[in-house]
Amino acid sequence: GAVVSQHPSRVICKSGTSVKIECRSLDFQATTMFWYRQFPKKSLMLMATSNEGSKATYEQGVEKDKFLINHASLTLSTLTVTSAHPEDSSFYICSAREPGTGYVSANYGYTFGSGTRLTVV
Amino acid sequence: DAKTTQPPSMDCAEGRAANLPCNHSTISGNEYVYWYRQIHSQGPQYIIHGLKNNETNEMASLIITEDRKSSTLILPHATLRDTAVYYCIVRAYAGGTSYGKLTFGQGTILTVHP
Repeated sequence: GAVVSQHPSRVICKSGTSVKIECRSLDFQATTMFWYRQFPKKSLMLMATSNEGSKATYEQGVEKDKFLINHASLTLSTLTVTSAHPEDSSFYICSAREPGTGYVSANYGYTFGSGTRLTVV
Repeated sequence: DAKTTQPPSMDCAEGRAANLPCNHSTISGNEYVYWYRQIHSQGPQYIIHGLKNNETNEMASLIITEDRKSSTLILPHATLRDTAVYYCIVRAYAGGTSYGKLTFGQGTILTVHP
């Protein structure tokens, strides 16, 4: 089946520094990837939709300059948390949408990465 | 996309069937029902999806009511490893280049007991 690799799995950084998280689709091309964040005991919150070759679409309330998204190739999207602060500490998860087979695009599968635990100290 | 309502938590004995309900009373005709689960500190895992017919795969069965306003995910023989948060999501099928983002609700915490 489809595999999405997310790296790093854990990162601890100092307040004020920037952190880059990578999301790769290993065996398929993903024109669209999604970035979520999740606080402890809470559900996943969609942050942005990443489209290959174009600007990301951010959800309401998500700071574009704070969370930089780049989708430079069909297999790689990156999320950079700029000038991180302790309140940015969270679990970040990416998802890649697999191309559907034939015309029935509802069969698109969404494969998730294993997540990145970011701790800002 | 339509919203869903799920019970916050459920318990199940190991080896028994786990039946997880989901209400999606405002579902539209072009919306599919998806189920995902998330084991602690991992990314969500796809389980099954359907439109209006019942579906079964190696992981689970999905029963959708005739009016499509609710559905039930069935894990036929629950194991301890099935302990997770289960999310029911409805998503519009718009064809072609639809971005089709998945919006997660609160889900159901399923705890399987020995």
